[in-house]
Amino acid sequence: DAGITQSPRHKVTETGTPVTLRCHQTENHRYMYWYRQDPGHGLRLIHYSYGVKDTDKGEVSDGYSVSRSKTEDFLLTLESATSSQTSVYFCAISERETYEQYFGPGTRLTVT
Amino acid sequence: AQSVSQHNHHVILSEAASLELGCNYSYGGTVNLFWYVQYPGQHLQLLLKYFSGDPLVKGIKGFEAEFIKSKFSFNLRKPSVQWSDTAEYFCAVYENSGYALNFGKGTSLLVTP
Repeated sequence: DAGITQSPRHKVTETGTPVTLRCHQTENHRYMYWYRQDPGHGLRLIHYSYGVKDTDKGEVSDGYSVSRSKTEDFLLTLESATSSQTSVYFCAISERETYEQYFGPGTRLTVT
Repeated sequence: AQSVSQHNHHVILSEAASLELGCNYSYGGTVNLFWYVQYPGQHLQLLLKYFSGDPLVKGIKGFEAEFIKSKFSFNLRKPSVQWSDTAEYFCAVYENSGYALNFGKGTSLLVTP
């Protein structure tokens, strides 16, 4: 398995609170991605990064922000969590844009 | 925009039955194609990929897929499934004017003993 960790693995939080999820890689891959997985929707891209400090929006970016200050870390922040953001969040990495992506173990987030 | 369609949302098979899961995409240009598997409670793992060359691609665990350009399809096959193949399967397509993988909504496979 690719060296990808996500923290926390599980989190329960209340509506309106800020939440930050962390993705850490040891592969030195340039590209990093955040997805959410929901029943009936498959995987949807939230944000991605193509280098340190270089990020862009994905399909479902509203309510989320990201930062990448180091190659190995990609942070996803929910500024003010809502119940609609209850989901499983996966981080992925890729050596090149066109290559396969490797996924982290996921974070299960519940917003009450 | 690119779209990826997986025709079967839920498939139930008996052990030793043959499997074929359909995947079609809408982009007419050059594509890279992938199948991922997600076992219950786990993350996605790459089963196989196609970039170019032989359109019949062999992956891990006895899976294979065939790229048919004229049909915009990349169907996944396995001659004889096992109980341990119970999982969700995702087709994904990268097209060269895009920026990320486009995933199908997934097919849930249940293999019964």
